[in-house]
Amino acid sequence: DIQMTQSPSSLSASVGDRVIITCRASQSMTRYLHWYQQKPGEAPKLVRYGTSAFQSGVSSSFSVTGSETNFTLTIDPLQPEHVATYYCQQTYRIPHTFGQGTKLEI
Amino acid sequence: QVYLQESGPGLVKPSETLSLTCTVSGASISSSYWSWVRQSPGKGLEWIGDVYYTGTTNYNPSVKRRVTMSVDTSKRQFSLRLKSVIAADTAVYYCTRMTPGNDNALDVWGQGTTVTVSS
Repeated sequence: DIQMTQSPSSLSASVGDRVIITCRASQSMTRYLHWYQQKPGEAPKLVRYGTSAFQSGVSSSFSVTGSETNFTLTIDPLQPEHVATYYCQQTYRIPHTFGQGTKLEI
Repeated sequence: QVYLQESGPGLVKPSETLSLTCTVSGASISSSYWSWVRQSPGKGLEWIGDVYYTGTTNYNPSVKRRVTMSVDTSKRQFSLRLKSVIAADTAVYYCTRMTPGNDNALDVWGQGTTVTVSS
């Protein structure tokens, strides 16, 4: 299985800050790396798929970069509505695995 | 707008079979793969598997011996069956759409249904 490791596990930032969440894969992959946002009591929501694709209905504050084993989700500027837990997921190899999550607070 | 709605019992006894159905609206069930993801209380997300409208399936090895997924195109539904459940199968179960054109990302999620395994 491809192990996905996110860092940090949690972080606190201020409105207007630039926040970076990192996801590291145990094996190299191409572009099948995605990011989800989960607010308390809600289902996860896809915020970015692949390495740079725009997702309809999602804030332009989110951007993604990365390749091979290192990927990042950047939120800039941070807004109150971005408070959530963020997960990365790889769909490069079965089983499709998720990172453990990064809890973002303001 | 695409909607997914899970349905099924909220309580299952240990050693019995968990059965959930997801109803698809707003999209053709023949256009994508359909997946199940679960989230144990206070924990992260676990991909269970996916099914194509042809019946082709992929399962997580962690549950492969116990899981069956299927599609009923006439009802626009897909289903999950997990047999011999244990307490560790207690979770919120989400049905999702996996779209190959989106690099196999899960771009639509149901609201989730809570399943508790308990006698």
